[in-house]
Amino acid sequence: KQEVTQIPAALSVPEGENLVLNCSFTDSAIYNLQWFRQDPGKGLTSLLLIQSSQREQTSGRLNASLDKSSGRSTLYIAASQPGDSATYLCAADPYSGAGSYQLTFGKGTKLSVIP
Amino acid sequence: EPEVTQTPSHQVTQMGQEVILRCVPISNHLYFYWYRQILGQKVEFLVSFYNNEISEKSEIFDDQFSVERPDGSNFTLKIRSTKLEDSAMYFCASLYHQNTEAFFGQGTRLTVV
Repeated sequence: KQEVTQIPAALSVPEGENLVLNCSFTDSAIYNLQWFRQDPGKGLTSLLLIQSSQREQTSGRLNASLDKSSGRSTLYIAASQPGDSATYLCAADPYSGAGSYQLTFGKGTKLSVIP
Repeated sequence: EPEVTQTPSHQVTQMGQEVILRCVPISNHLYFYWYRQILGQKVEFLVSFYNNEISEKSEIFDDQFSVERPDGSNFTLKIRSTKLEDSAMYFCASLYHQNTEAFFGQGTRLTVV
């Protein structure tokens, strides 16, 4: 059974700092890995999707990498801003072979960017 | 930008009552899902739905739960007899095709008293 772990559970940084959020998964047989942002009491906003054949994806100040063999993904945020404060979730899509798609989520990293 | 819409945003119900949570997925999407998040815990998969039938369900999705796509736009989750432990945020998600980005709604916070 796929397990997804995110470290650290919480992170506080001063504005402008570059930072890395870590995600690890136990089963390397995945379709893709997706990073989400969740604001308190709100839904999930998709940030980046990395397919299993890709090594990284970039969107603006965000860069996500994927190393399937080691079961790890990282989300790099450049020049952090107070508006980046949120919980960041990673989710792995296990390769079931049956054409299904279900995400296994980590518990998230709660990021606080201090002005 | 297209979005997944869920109603209501918050529902309070008495234990043993039936609730229906509603979702309008993005219009050209083909795959539909329900997830839930108990306060302070991980987001958990409940059920996936494709081609008008359940394609996969988790052990959480027992006989008390059912899903339906009654028309071309709505996707519903019904809980027949709610329990206290059903209190959670329920998220609907949709995607156009497998291995593409999943879009989530804002969630329905269900409180069972």
